Amino acid sequence: GENVEQHPSTLSVQEGDSAVIKCTYSDSASNYFPWYKQELGKGPQLIIDIRSNVGEKKDQRIAVTLNKTAKHFSLHITETQPEDSAVYFCAASTGTASKLTFGTGTRLQVTL
Amino acid sequence: DAGITQSPRHKVTETGTPVTLRCHQTENHRYMYWYRQDPGHGLRLIHYSYGVKDTDKGEVSDGYSVSRSKTEDFLLTLESATSSQTSVYFCAISEGTSREQYFGPGTRLTVT
Repeated sequence: GENVEQHPSTLSVQEGDSAVIKCTYSDSASNYFPWYKQELGKGPQLIIDIRSNVGEKKDQRIAVTLNKTAKHFSLHITETQPEDSAVYFCAASTGTASKLTFGTGTRLQVTL
Repeated sequence: DAGITQSPRHKVTETGTPVTLRCHQTENHRYMYWYRQDPGHGLRLIHYSYGVKDTDKGEVSDGYSVSRSKTEDFLLTLESATSSQTSVYFCAISEGTSREQYFGPGTRLTVT
């Protein structure tokens, strides 16, 4: 089955700096890659996703890039703010019933 | 949380007792999923449903069963709870075509 690895497990940045979280996947048939943000005590919230027919997608301060050849994708957050502090999860899906395989998460802390 | 409720939100039970968790959606989405979240493991798929009375196993299905008698309700049952099933359980829904999954607020289950 699919295996998704996520790095780093923790990331601390200063407010205004950029943050990058990287994930690799094992199944070359995976074609859908969402990113979720989870705040303490809440369910994961979908923040951005990318499909295998595009290499990059941007939404205001967040962007995701996909390298199908290398089988890795990354989340980029620019101009970080304290409210960006949360746990971020990447995931991959081959499309069968949209089942997701998740990475183990990155705890992002944005310090003042 | 995209019209998804989970009940109960917290439960403490003893080893060997049966437990049923409920997920209810108001979005009329076709797909529903149960995940468990444990430290160091991210979210792992337990079971999913692709329609009324249509269910299938995920990667960690042992010890769990599910039922879906109505589009809006997806039940997760632990027939005989064990301490290893102490976890936070999340329900998710997906319309299917768009592939996006939306998560409920979670149920924290403790098995003593």
